[in-house]
Amino acid sequence: DAKTTQPPSMDCAEGRAANLPCNHSTISGNEYVYWYRQIHSQGPQYIIHGLKNNETNEMASLIITEDRKSSTLILPHATLRDTAVYYCIVSYYGGSQGNLIFGKGTKLSVKP
Amino acid sequence: GAVVSQHPSWVICKSGTSVKIECRSLDFQATTMFWYRQFPKQSLMLMATSNEGSKATYEQGVEKDKFLINHASLTLSTLTVTSAHPEDSSFYICSVPGPNTGELFFGEGSRLTVL
Repeated sequence: DAKTTQPPSMDCAEGRAANLPCNHSTISGNEYVYWYRQIHSQGPQYIIHGLKNNETNEMASLIITEDRKSSTLILPHATLRDTAVYYCIVSYYGGSQGNLIFGKGTKLSVKP
Repeated sequence: GAVVSQHPSWVICKSGTSVKIECRSLDFQATTMFWYRQFPKQSLMLMATSNEGSKATYEQGVEKDKFLINHASLTLSTLTVTSAHPEDSSFYICSVPGPNTGELFFGEGSRLTVL
């Protein structure tokens, strides 16, 4: 079973920030938080990952709470092409990375 | 550009036939590749881990004799669905671990429809 809990769906207006929450209260000390997204009928796409510190890249920002029990993925200026299912996954870094357990994710709908 | 390429993108076959799906790592060598399956409106489920030079490791409940995996080289893994049946109709996706960053690169997926 997935170790994360996400809302099943969210809407966001185009151009606004999309904030996607994720709860992972049973995360262990050396597990990372990964975010992937899957646009309809395509393979998942890596977005970002982090351990303790907040992270930012060209796609998004990842905010991890101090107790690491939850995190938020932020898409600063959502576009229609950001409409996808977003998966929050906790996993160990390296090694058997294929053991990414995908939950049901959050279906983000970006509306004009 | 694409880092992982799958072929074919979609395939329709008759019940009882076998179908081969290829997964190629375009940018780097991969001693390990992963095969996932996704049924409609469901999440991805890891099927097996493909290991170059050794046997694949299958997840619980996945029949190794039905889903044959061959990791022929450091850039190619194949999944063969043998004696396919309609219940095998699904979206099959392969993935390759990135070299440094801890991320997983996924192929475009192969949609199999068994009539």
